[in-house]
Amino acid sequence: DAKTTQPPSMDCAEGRAANLPCNHSTISGNEYVYWYRQIHSQGPQYIIHGLKNNETNEMASLIITEDRKSSTLILPHATLRDTAVYYCIVRTLTTSGTYKYIFGTGTRLKVLA
Amino acid sequence: DVKVTQSSRYLVKRTGEKVFLECVQDMDHENMFWYRQDPGLGLRLIYFSYDVKMKEKGDIPEGYSVSREKKERFSLILESASTNQTSMYLCASSFEGPYEQYFGPGTRLTVT
Repeated sequence: DAKTTQPPSMDCAEGRAANLPCNHSTISGNEYVYWYRQIHSQGPQYIIHGLKNNETNEMASLIITEDRKSSTLILPHATLRDTAVYYCIVRTLTTSGTYKYIFGTGTRLKVLA
Repeated sequence: DVKVTQSSRYLVKRTGEKVFLECVQDMDHENMFWYRQDPGLGLRLIYFSYDVKMKEKGDIPEGYSVSREKKERFSLILESASTNQTSMYLCASSFEGPYEQYFGPGTRLTVT
């Protein structure tokens, strides 16, 4: 199964862009990259996902390298409420045809006032 | 909004007790998942279910079993709780196919 590697922690100034890197060098061609975040005492919340192309939604942008071995989640204007643990996840297919997530250990992002 | 609810936020049980953790989703999702979350280890998949009465082992199924008798409900069972099962347990659900998972708030289980 593909694994992801993330830095354990990062700081970002409020109003600045937060760039969270992730390595997934063993990812297979049909495995998607997902990003979730978890605010203290809550369940993880979906942010964005992608396969090959860069993606953008109202929360964030996802940049995936051409070789698909790494990606970066970008929060364009970080606020204090973005302080959370961010998980980079590879979605893989099981033998039963169900999609399952393989979580990394996450990056604890602290947004500073 | 999708709602995934878990029966308890906090639970304290004794070693050897049988423990039931319940999860209910209201979006008619086919898939349901149980994870445990421990410091430094992230989320690890215990079991999942892709249909009523169907289940598949995740990455750490030892010491756990599951039950799915109705589509909206997925139970995690600790037959004989042990102290190393003290953890945060998270339930999630999703539609069949390449769709995101929705997580419940978690149950913090302490086994003494």
